[in-house]
Amino acid sequence: EDQVTQSPEALRLQEGESSSLNCSYTVSGLRGLFWYRQDPGKGPEFLFTLYSAGEEKEKERLKATLTKKESFLHITAPKPEDSATYLCAPLGGYNKLIFGAGTRLAVHP
Amino acid sequence: EAGVTQSPTHLIKTRGQQATLRCSPISGHTSVYWYQQALGLGLQFLLWYDEGEERNRGNFPPRFSGRQFPNYSSELNVNALELEDSALYLCASSWGDRPDTQYFGPGTRLTVL
Repeated sequence: EDQVTQSPEALRLQEGESSSLNCSYTVSGLRGLFWYRQDPGKGPEFLFTLYSAGEEKEKERLKATLTKKESFLHITAPKPEDSATYLCAPLGGYNKLIFGAGTRLAVHP
Repeated sequence: EAGVTQSPTHLIKTRGQQATLRCSPISGHTSVYWYQQALGLGLQFLLWYDEGEERNRGNFPPRFSGRQFPNYSSELNVNALELEDSALYLCASSWGDRPDTQYFGPGTRLTVL
């Protein structure tokens, strides 16, 4: 059975305090892995797509990396506007995104 | 370029009624996906339509159904509403049946009383 686990469930950071979010997965027929950001009551906003182990993508203060069983979202010197829920979603067969429960990030000034 | 749009923004129904939710994909996208996000739960895959055909279905009862129109817009119908159907329903679109980024709309908040 396909499984996705994100940790930690919640993370509180001070502005400028770097950290990493983890996504571990067991998905058959993996075709890619997506990271999204979701603000309360809104749809997920696309951040990154990773297709193969060793791949890295960067966007502003965020960097996503991928191994065969895990993905990490590194946040460097976060700002309060980075506060959101970050969702990891491996893409399985039949284009089905399998979402993790997310990590709720709060960045305080 | 316009993103994925969904209507209505909010929908309030009573138990046993039917709900219809609508989605317009990004121009040029042929695939539409539906997800349910119940309060406190993660996004659960509901349905995938591509080129007017249902390609995949999640673990939901048959009273959840939908269709895709020739212009690639889509409807999600939920019959015999139950209280636990209250959730944010999200639509996403992508270029087609190849693995590609799915872009999400803002969602329809369905409340069943």
